[in-house]
Amino acid sequence: GIQVEQSPPDLILQEGANSTLRCNFSDSVNNLQWFHQNPWGQLINLFYIPSGTKQNGRLSATTVATERYSLLYISSSQTTDSGVYFCAVDVSNTGKLIFGQGTTLQVKP
Amino acid sequence: GAVVSQHPSRVICKSGTSVKIECRSLDFQATTMFWYRQFPKQSLMLMATSNEGSKATYEQGVEKDKFLINHASLTLSTLTVTSAHPEDSSFYICSAGRTGWHYGYTFGSGTRLTVV
Repeated sequence: GIQVEQSPPDLILQEGANSTLRCNFSDSVNNLQWFHQNPWGQLINLFYIPSGTKQNGRLSATTVATERYSLLYISSSQTTDSGVYFCAVDVSNTGKLIFGQGTTLQVKP
Repeated sequence: GAVVSQHPSRVICKSGTSVKIECRSLDFQATTMFWYRQFPKQSLMLMATSNEGSKATYEQGVEKDKFLINHASLTLSTLTVTSAHPEDSSFYICSAGRTGWHYGYTFGSGTRLTVV
């Protein structure tokens, strides 16, 4: 089956710093989503981005489907950005998602 | 829009008892719902796919007689953990959507199950 790998596994930032999270996938995908899981477990859908670039405030994401990777950019990080960031792919266009292992981000004040 | 409500958020049960978790789509009709499980410090793993009016499809290694899924209407799916054991303690989370949606599926807030 498809492999979804995220890097780095852990990241510690000072408030105000920028960061880039990466998601590599081993096969073609129909859809790709980025999620933020807060300390209470809630999964927040950040981007639905099977290809191209999208921006939402301090966050942006780029997926290069032909090269099988996606990047999530966080600019001017805040302590509330802390949590686990997951990318997840849908290979069959059924909504069934395969998750990466996540990047745990800690933003220090 | 696209709000998914999941209850309970937290439950503690005794070993051997059954627990039911509900997943509701509040402002849309969900043709498909998915159930995931997440162990501490790990990623989410798909357990089963639930389609309204038909039997659930379980992923390899998931016991269908232990994790009963019912999707009786377009707004409600339930997961029942039967004869729960401590190793079933985990975070269970559902997602819901409609075939052909182009902005992804929405997740519920999850249920933390502890079996003592």
